[in-house]
Amino acid sequence: DIVMTQTPLSSPVTLGQPASISCRSSQGLVHSNGKTYLTWLHQRPGQPPRFLIYEISNRFSGVPDRFSGSGAGTDFTLKISRVEAEDVGLYYCMQASQFPWTFGQGTKVEIK
Amino acid sequence: EVQLVQSGGGLVQPGGSLRLSCAASGFTFSDYWMHWVRQGPGQGFMWVSGIKSDGITTTYADSVKGRFTISRDNAKNTLFLQMNSLRVEDTGVYYCVPGAVAGGRDWGQGSLVTVSS
Repeated sequence: DIVMTQTPLSSPVTLGQPASISCRSSQGLVHSNGKTYLTWLHQRPGQPPRFLIYEISNRFSGVPDRFSGSGAGTDFTLKISRVEAEDVGLYYCMQASQFPWTFGQGTKVEIK
Repeated sequence: EVQLVQSGGGLVQPGGSLRLSCAASGFTFSDYWMHWVRQGPGQGFMWVSGIKSDGITTTYADSVKGRFTISRDNAKNTLFLQMNSLRVEDTGVYYCVPGAVAGGRDWGQGSLVTVSS
């Protein structure tokens, strides 16, 4: 199975300041069809997760443009350009290039 | 608007069975893979099973193979997970998850499964 490792595990951020989360996979995520199925999720306390970013850098409909994804190979990054109060919660990276899908441990974003 | 409305779940003794359902709307359900993902108590996520649009091709996590069965009814836009021989370690919240961007960004609301004597 592909192991997904996130850093940091906790990220206290001041409102309006940027935040960055890294995700490393134990092997490359390029699918046989040439796409890289690296996805980011956000989960607020007590709520189900919601997808944020798909195929490394594409925002799902309705996701604010302060969220951006980047990376290639085995190293990926989620950036929030200016953190807002509604952005608190846990962020997870996930790979769907190979079964079983696997997830990072989660990064907790909280307001300082 | 895409909606995934789950039902089923509950408390069951080890060795028991449960069936989860997920009713989909707002996208062409029959065109896409669908999946079940579990979140253990205070833990991260584990992918459980997936089923292709045809309803024939299925895949499972090793830990549930032979005990869980995923299925779908494309005429009723509904996904199922039949869970047999349940173990304590199967406890968690089970989410119905679309396998394509067209299914939207939302997961199902979750179904709590507690396996305990």
